[in-house]
Amino acid sequence: NAGVTQTPKFRILKIGQSMTLQCTQDMNHNYMYWYRQDPGMGLKLIYYSVGAGITDKGEVPNGYNVSRSTTEDFPLRLELAAPSQTSVYFCASRQLRGGGTEAFFGQGTRLTVV
Amino acid sequence: AQSVTQLDSQVPVFEEAPVELRCNYSSSVSVYLFWYVQYPNQGLQLLLKYLSGSTLVESINGFEAEFNKSQTSFHLRKPSVHISDTAEYFCAVSETGGGNKLTFGTGTQLKVEL
Repeated sequence: NAGVTQTPKFRILKIGQSMTLQCTQDMNHNYMYWYRQDPGMGLKLIYYSVGAGITDKGEVPNGYNVSRSTTEDFPLRLELAAPSQTSVYFCASRQLRGGGTEAFFGQGTRLTVV
Repeated sequence: AQSVTQLDSQVPVFEEAPVELRCNYSSSVSVYLFWYVQYPNQGLQLLLKYLSGSTLVESINGFEAEFNKSQTSFHLRKPSVHISDTAEYFCAVSETGGGNKLTFGTGTQLKVEL
């Protein structure tokens, strides 16, 4: 029962570097989401996907990109990292067919940009 | 657009006392409502959900929440808290009828003291 798996768990980036946060789920969920969590701000939606090949912007997409080539994987790409992207990133998946609408979350990736 | 308001950022309470964490939402259509809990350095876990039917929903560890459509609220309650309930609690809303996004409140830190 892996659920939603995120890698890496921790990462330190220098300003201007790029990286990909990996997210994979084994529940065959159609919806996947990327959120960032900052203290006192709750979770802000970065991007989401309703199925393979389909992605859409959330509230705070600037500085990020995503792709969804398979049902299982939904990587988040940071180009030209900035200190404002220091945050904890959570990936989630959700099934909106046949009932069961809660989202399942990964354990998070703690990213620091210095 | 949907939104969620959690007015209390922190709620201190003594062990065995009752607690209520407030959640109000805004949406122009019918909604699903969720409460998630986050323990330190972990991802979010579903606590309980309202999809339809009975407006009072319960969790396995003694929490309950009541959906009030006229007041657009989904407050979380527990009659007697335990030290282990110390965590951050997030209310979330999703529109029914194919709504794609899951929107979170800013969270309420529940601190249970001896």
